[in-house]
Amino acid sequence: DAGVTQSPTHLIKTRGQQVTLRCSPKSGHDTVSWYQQALGQGPQFIFQYYEEEERQRGNFPDRFSGHQFPNYSSELNVNALLLGDSALYLCASSWWTDSGYTFGSGTRLTVV
Amino acid sequence: GQQLNQSPQSMFIQEGEDVSMNCTSSSIFNTWLWYKQDPGEGPVLLIALYKAGELTSNGRLTAQFGITRKDSFLNISASIPSDVGIYFCAGGAGGTSYGKLTFGQGTILTVHP
Repeated sequence: DAGVTQSPTHLIKTRGQQVTLRCSPKSGHDTVSWYQQALGQGPQFIFQYYEEEERQRGNFPDRFSGHQFPNYSSELNVNALLLGDSALYLCASSWWTDSGYTFGSGTRLTVV
Repeated sequence: GQQLNQSPQSMFIQEGEDVSMNCTSSSIFNTWLWYKQDPGEGPVLLIALYKAGELTSNGRLTAQFGITRKDSFLNISASIPSDVGIYFCAGGAGGTSYGKLTFGQGTILTVHP
């Protein structure tokens, strides 16, 4: 049974560019959440998607947007990249109403 | 953003010793979770707690949901080298905020053979 799959695993972008990260949830899960983890810190909640809608959002600017597809997979888009956006981006899936996430291994984004 | 206060920040112990770490918050949480993260990997769920006062074990791991709903602790008994990693606590508000977890800063555990 595949867990949460994220792609790509590593990415280097230039300041000002746009990036799209992808996530396939664990089989049977219908909810996807995205987290940003800076080096040496705990993950920070970006937003959560359920039934193809953004249900909750953390304290992140509108440059961060997302999408959920009918097959429950999800994308995270970040526009106008800043150096401070460099981080590990984690996708987590669960059933709606269950806080016990399964995390993917993350996408390491470096902005230069 | 808001984070939980997790302590200690790091621990260096000998194999076989017991470990204790805790997490406190100024806010009430309805769910407490403990995760372990290895280098290059995402966090892996160790224990989930859903009721105030709940004490739950998972092998050598034991965690408790504080009665005030503002704290939780994790104990590891008889540590082994594979316990090395970063341990995170996370609080969930529940209700309409099921999805959002607030994480602590992590406890880095090093186990010397």
